[in-house]
Amino acid sequence: EAGVTQSPTHLIKTRGQQATLRCSPISGHTSVYWYQQALGLGLQFLLWYDEGEERNRGNFPPRFSGRQFPNYSSELNVNALELEDSALYLCASSLVESEETQYFGPGTRLLVL
Amino acid sequence: AQKVTQAQTEISVVEKEDVTLDCVYETRDTTYYLFWYKQPPSGELVFLIRRNSFDEQNEISGRYSWNFQKSTSSFNFTITASQVVDSAVYFCALRENTGNQFYFGTGTSLTVIP
Repeated sequence: EAGVTQSPTHLIKTRGQQATLRCSPISGHTSVYWYQQALGLGLQFLLWYDEGEERNRGNFPPRFSGRQFPNYSSELNVNALELEDSALYLCASSLVESEETQYFGPGTRLLVL
Repeated sequence: AQKVTQAQTEISVVEKEDVTLDCVYETRDTTYYLFWYKQPPSGELVFLIRRNSFDEQNEISGRYSWNFQKSTSSFNFTITASQVVDSAVYFCALRENTGNQFYFGTGTSLTVIP
């Protein structure tokens, strides 16, 4: 069974540009989560999508947004990029029940110059 | 306040030593779930274990063991006879029954020296 996949693996942008990151969950999983992991820091929760709806978001500005498609894949969009947005962005998927484990993808490394 | 605290930022051990990674959590829920993940240098988080709050039985999986103690709100992780391949950042996480958010600790970076 395929795991969570993310694309691209690396992304280089300049300040002010927009970045789009993609995630495909494990087959059968309806929930997708996005996390930001800045260098040397822990995981910061960004967004949670389930059944196409945004269910929860972390303490990030509105320029971080996303969506979930009918096939449960998801996009994370970061507008007006800032240098401090440089980080590893991790996507995870799970079944929706609260006891379910989140399984993570390999991440997208975003570098903002 | 931090819901999950991993007080050890970095640990170095010599190969074959045992090492325990500490995790202390905070929740008011009576039903909750605790997790450990391993993040090797490649970056992908690898799921290691999940425990629910009603199951305090300790678990052993090969060289890995976990000690869950509700009385002290701790869920510690021990690696026995450490190996170089165990070098990684280890994250402890809490998922409460209310809401659907994972709370991660700040991670413990383990270096196993050959």
